[in-house]
Amino acid sequence: SDELTQPPSVSVSPGQTARISCSGDGLPKQYASWYQHNPGQAPILVIFKDTERPSGIPERFSGSTSGTTATLTISGVQAEDEADYYCLSTDSSATSFFGGGTKLTVL
Amino acid sequence: QVALRESGPALVKSTETLTLTCTFSGFSLTTTGMCVTWIRQAPGKALEWLARIDWDDVKSYRTSLKTRLTISKDTSKNQVALTLANLGPADSATYYCARMPVVDSYALDYWGQGILVTVSS
Repeated sequence: SDELTQPPSVSVSPGQTARISCSGDGLPKQYASWYQHNPGQAPILVIFKDTERPSGIPERFSGSTSGTTATLTISGVQAEDEADYYCLSTDSSATSFFGGGTKLTVL
Repeated sequence: QVALRESGPALVKSTETLTLTCTFSGFSLTTTGMCVTWIRQAPGKALEWLARIDWDDVKSYRTSLKTRLTISKDTSKNQVALTLANLGPADSATYYCARMPVVDSYALDYWGQGILVTVSS
């Protein structure tokens, strides 16, 4: 399947932990990556290969995977983390697809 | 330092063909495992993956747009072009290009700032 499903929105208070899920039948065989996107700006890669964090991304961002679900976890959420978050995966035919995006609101 | 920049028309008419160019620096599309991808985001909508071209000239397209999309590269100019034929209002979007090294991060690790394209009827 080429569909990735994300919750439309997640809300947390500052300092709490935010978890954003991404579900897809292909995920057990395909890497997931995660992107932070603020309106009017280019998306930023925050997690690649399911669990790896690029240099320069704060340690509070982490990724995990279990079966058909990948999860982005933001520990100790800060106001600056409020953004849209997207997961991405690529199938064996080199076709990629994004999840529908999750709007993270910091209360 | 890796950088990508999209260029092309800001306004196009329905039924016409859109041609966008991604000009990049700091890496080469002749390097094994290097790819460039196009993505778009319509107003209020999610990111949408469109196409990818690989170092070995393998091309991949979004299934629903495959008949309308063409991706190509000019390695001597460090450019990747995307054409989208038979435009309609639903093609109005911000179009991004991004680098994807499939032997390293397997992710879109550098992005251009995007170009807003409006399709008029």
